[in-house]
Amino acid sequence: KQEVTQIPAALSVPEGENLVLNCSFTDSAIYNLQWFRQDPGKGLTSLLLIQSSQREQTSGRLNASLDKSSGRSTLYIAASQPGDSATYLCAVSSSGSARQLTFGSGTQLTVLP
Amino acid sequence: GAGVSQSPRYKVTKRGQDVALRCDPISGHVSLYWYRQALGQGPEFLTYFNYEAQQDKSGLPNDRFSAERPEGSISTLTIQRTEQRDSAMYRCASSPRQGPSMEPQHFGDGTRLSIL
Repeated sequence: KQEVTQIPAALSVPEGENLVLNCSFTDSAIYNLQWFRQDPGKGLTSLLLIQSSQREQTSGRLNASLDKSSGRSTLYIAASQPGDSATYLCAVSSSGSARQLTFGSGTQLTVLP
Repeated sequence: GAGVSQSPRYKVTKRGQDVALRCDPISGHVSLYWYRQALGQGPEFLTYFNYEAQQDKSGLPNDRFSAERPEGSISTLTIQRTEQRDSAMYRCASSPRQGPSMEPQHFGDGTRLSIL
């Protein structure tokens, strides 16, 4: 059974810092990995999706990498802003159950002005 | 509307009552998913549909939970004889096509269910 772990559970940084969020998964047989952002009382917003054949994806100040063989992904946020404060969730779509996503518990990020 | 719509946003009910949660996916989206999210955790898969066919219900916790999507669009998740442990955020997501997950799932804002 696929398990996804995110470290740290919470992170607080001053505005302007670059930061890295970590995600690990136990079964490397995946179709893709997604990073989501969750704001209180809102739905999940997909930030980046990395196919299993890809090594990284970039969108603006966000860069996500994938090392499938070691079961790891990182989300890099450059020049953090208070508006980046949210919970960031990592989710994998495993080969044995291609449709469902297995989520980590998230990293709660606070960017201090 | 442009996004996935869920109703009601909040539902408070007494233990033992039945509840029905509704999901209206993005127009034209083939696949629809239900997840349940406890406080401080990530969502957990419950079930999913392609068109009107329920493809996988392995995540439904017991037979009090059921879901349908009779016309391949709106879906209803029903919980019978609710228990306090059913309290959670219930999230719906849709994606445009079936097959391996090549595209992100689009999530609604969820229904917060509280069982008293």
